[in-house]
Amino acid sequence: GAGVSQSPSNKVTEKGKDVELRCDPISGHTALYWYRQSLGQGLEFLIYFQGNSAPDKSGLPSDRFSAERTGGSVSTLTIQRTQQEDSAVYLCASSPWTGKDIQYFGAGTRLSVL
Amino acid sequence: SQQGEEDPQALSIQEGENATMNCSYKTSINNLQWYRQNSGRGLVHLILIRSNEREKHSGRLRVTLDTSKKSSSLLITASRAADTASYFCATDSGGSNYKLTFGKGTLLTVNP
Repeated sequence: GAGVSQSPSNKVTEKGKDVELRCDPISGHTALYWYRQSLGQGLEFLIYFQGNSAPDKSGLPSDRFSAERTGGSVSTLTIQRTQQEDSAVYLCASSPWTGKDIQYFGAGTRLSVL
Repeated sequence: SQQGEEDPQALSIQEGENATMNCSYKTSINNLQWYRQNSGRGLVHLILIRSNEREKHSGRLRVTLDTSKKSSSLLITASRAADTASYFCATDSGGSNYKLTFGKGTLLTVNP
């Protein structure tokens, strides 16, 4: 079937605006992750969803960041009042069961905050 | 602090040569994975090696794991220009921990 789909692929916004990033995981995958990757850096964990369990939000950098996953499938990452330091590539990954196994990544959303 | 750290940060070789990248980590693990990333976009899984395995092969890839030294290496043999990418190791933290921690990666450039 189709892989992990993320939209938009690129987003340019002005400082102070809110943005929503979308992730459509592989059908049937119960685990979903959001990561942030700044230029030339590794992946920074943001949030983890597993089935109907409460999400692990321990990686969210501030209360301007939030995420939800509806119906155990599509997820939306929302950044409120964007700042220039939020500029990065936001990557979503899904996994059949737990994140200890292989994670399948989307192509990411490149966010630029002007 | 980083769980996995790759070494070197950058590697430039000629086509046909072998490329070796290393990963060191700090805590016990259940498994270690290697991923590849082209052009700063999505990562692609290459290979997973479990803590009770010492070596694993997949095509031109060979991964070793030394849990006593908390280190792993990824060898790409007979490299091609298309292997140019960033390579990341990812580790869990043992036990039932579900998170993967990624290093900063090694940027491999294979010159034709």
